[in-house]
Amino acid sequence: DAGVIQSPRHEVTEMGQEVTLRCKPISGHNSLFWYRQTMMRGLELLIYFNNNVPIDDSGMPEDRFSAKMPNASFSTLKIQPSEPRDSAVYFCASSSPTGATDTQYFGPGTRLTVL
Amino acid sequence: EDKVVQSPLSLVVHEGDTVTLNCSYEVTNFRSLLWYKQEKKAPTFLFMLTSSGIEKKSGRLSSILDKKELSSILNITATQTGDSAIYLCAVEIDYKLSFGAGTTVTVRA
Repeated sequence: DAGVIQSPRHEVTEMGQEVTLRCKPISGHNSLFWYRQTMMRGLELLIYFNNNVPIDDSGMPEDRFSAKMPNASFSTLKIQPSEPRDSAVYFCASSSPTGATDTQYFGPGTRLTVL
Repeated sequence: EDKVVQSPLSLVVHEGDTVTLNCSYEVTNFRSLLWYKQEKKAPTFLFMLTSSGIEKKSGRLSSILDKKELSSILNITATQTGDSAIYLCAVEIDYKLSFGAGTTVTVRA
């Protein structure tokens, strides 16, 4: 099992540029989560999808952030335009059809630096 | 507003010591409390606790939930350098996990 796959692993960009982070959940998992981790705020849930449908995006910081899940095996998180305060590690996680929280598996993360 | 507070924020111990980490919470619709270990990568799952007073154990790690006190502790006995990590506590509220800030544990040889 390949686990949750995220790309890129590192991204450095300049303020104002568009950034797209990608996630491939574990095959067969029907829930997908995007988190952001910073020193100041810790690990925060940004958005949650179930069966490819966004269920709760209340954690998305502002309109510059958007997320899509066009199919069960792919999701993107886009930031446009990016700002230095968006610098963080972004994790994608997926969970099994049982919905049991202990089966929420995290990807390796994307470390985003906005200059 | 839901709150998950961990203490201490960081600690340094020597190999062989015992470590106790604390997590307290104030949330609505509590379902479970989870502990994760995060090294230089993604958080990995350690324990899920739903019932008060029942200890979960895995090797040198153990955890217990006190629903009356709205808290949990994670114990690590006979610590090793490989235990150095950030330990995250999370509370499940509906389908969401609300995380604490974490406790950074450094184990010196």
